[in-house]
Amino acid sequence: ETGVTQTPRHLVMGMTNKKSLKCEQHLGHNAMYWYKQSAKKPLELMFVYSLEERVENNSVPSRFSPECPNSSHLFLHLHTLQPEDSALYLCASSRAVPTAGTGDEKLFFGSGTQLSVL
Amino acid sequence: ILNVEQSPQSLHVQEGDSTNFTCSFPSSNFYALHWYRWETAKSPEALFVMTLNGDEKKKGRISATLNTKEGYSYLYIKGSQPEDSATYLCAFFPGTYKYIFGTGTRLKVLA
Repeated sequence: ETGVTQTPRHLVMGMTNKKSLKCEQHLGHNAMYWYKQSAKKPLELMFVYSLEERVENNSVPSRFSPECPNSSHLFLHLHTLQPEDSALYLCASSRAVPTAGTGDEKLFFGSGTQLSVL
Repeated sequence: ILNVEQSPQSLHVQEGDSTNFTCSFPSSNFYALHWYRWETAKSPEALFVMTLNGDEKKKGRISATLNTKEGYSYLYIKGSQPEDSATYLCAFFPGTYKYIFGTGTRLKVLA
């Protein structure tokens, strides 16, 4: 148990559906992240939030829409996805967004949502 | 484009064997190197965070070394056990909020 909970664990959706992924952290962290894991590719950062403000949108298509209503919750809203968006989506948190002086901020991950887009 | 390479991609060892894998990263703009262990159907968990050239960290049978001048880190497992079976990820931090992950080394320890 890492203190980061993701739901659902598995999701199958059609290209015209709208769905949301949810992440909750119970660690008192100020930074939250969405990562994408595609087969045989490294973990790819999608979004970073620091104290509910988006720090980075890493050139992610607009069909992915993040929301961070407070520092404990993070959502990823999905709409009109493509089959190539099928992947494992991981949420993570850390005490703070790492900077040049704080690169030792460990990431705490959820178990991920395995998404299949048909 | 910053690239992090891990080798080998996968590895099968017998129980009791010692093993090691490599993470290669850019030797410039180094701030930190993280190692994570990721068991199937679970969350990646941090093993080590290394920041100084020459750092050596140890946790039980697992240890790691860091060479920032040549841009590599080694992860060693002594006396591998079946419960060590997992994917081991390294992540390079170049100082700008974003960790750059490698594709991981998948370890299978055979009983």
